[in-house]
Amino acid sequence: DTAVSQTPKYLVTQMGNDKSIKCEQNLGHDTMYWYKQDSKKFLKIMFSYNNKELIINETVPNRFSPKSPDKAHLNLHINSLELGDSAVYFCASSHPDSINYGYTFGSGTRLTVV
Amino acid sequence: GEDVEQSLFLSVREGDSSVINCTYTDSSSTYLYWYKQEPGAGLQLLTYIFSNMDMKQDQRLTVLLNKKDKHLSLRIADTQTGDSAIYFCAEKRDSSNTGKLIFGQGTTLQVKP
Repeated sequence: DTAVSQTPKYLVTQMGNDKSIKCEQNLGHDTMYWYKQDSKKFLKIMFSYNNKELIINETVPNRFSPKSPDKAHLNLHINSLELGDSAVYFCASSHPDSINYGYTFGSGTRLTVV
Repeated sequence: GEDVEQSLFLSVREGDSSVINCTYTDSSSTYLYWYKQEPGAGLQLLTYIFSNMDMKQDQRLTVLLNKKDKHLSLRIADTQTGDSAIYFCAEKRDSSNTGKLIFGQGTTLQVKP
């Protein structure tokens, strides 16, 4: 069973389009995250939700809107896509009571904007 | 600042030891982590160390923490070609109770046969 699953794995779309990436975790974790990994492999947090409540909202264009319908799901909707949005987007989850607070990551969604 | 710093590239021969270094910024960090990313995959948690420890060993992996210098290292003994990947260190900052991790920029480990 996949612990953190993201769909789609690859997404190629034109500038100006609106797209969504979905994430689901079956670990019973309370907290979920979206990270962006750029072409230089640098990972930066975008958003975090804890029990459906937004707790981290880094400096991200408001074209990016996360939605958490329940604590097992965190989706990312992107409006008016730009070339600079091309990256790999990783979803992750964690449980604050875990002894090591480690994250479990999904396998990523590679977004290419053309 | 926010930066967690790592060297970008390390090349070793199969069977040698690899040492990947990292410096972090927040002296109140509670946990420090090493993650491994293979091509096309997500990040896999390799090991972690709590800030009151100096060393942690887990099979071929040894983590050393110098809290005074804010320096973390990962030693991989008997490095294998399957260890070729990008290795990220990350810190969890005590000032945040949200579980936010700050990652370094990753060290690409190349293992030559």
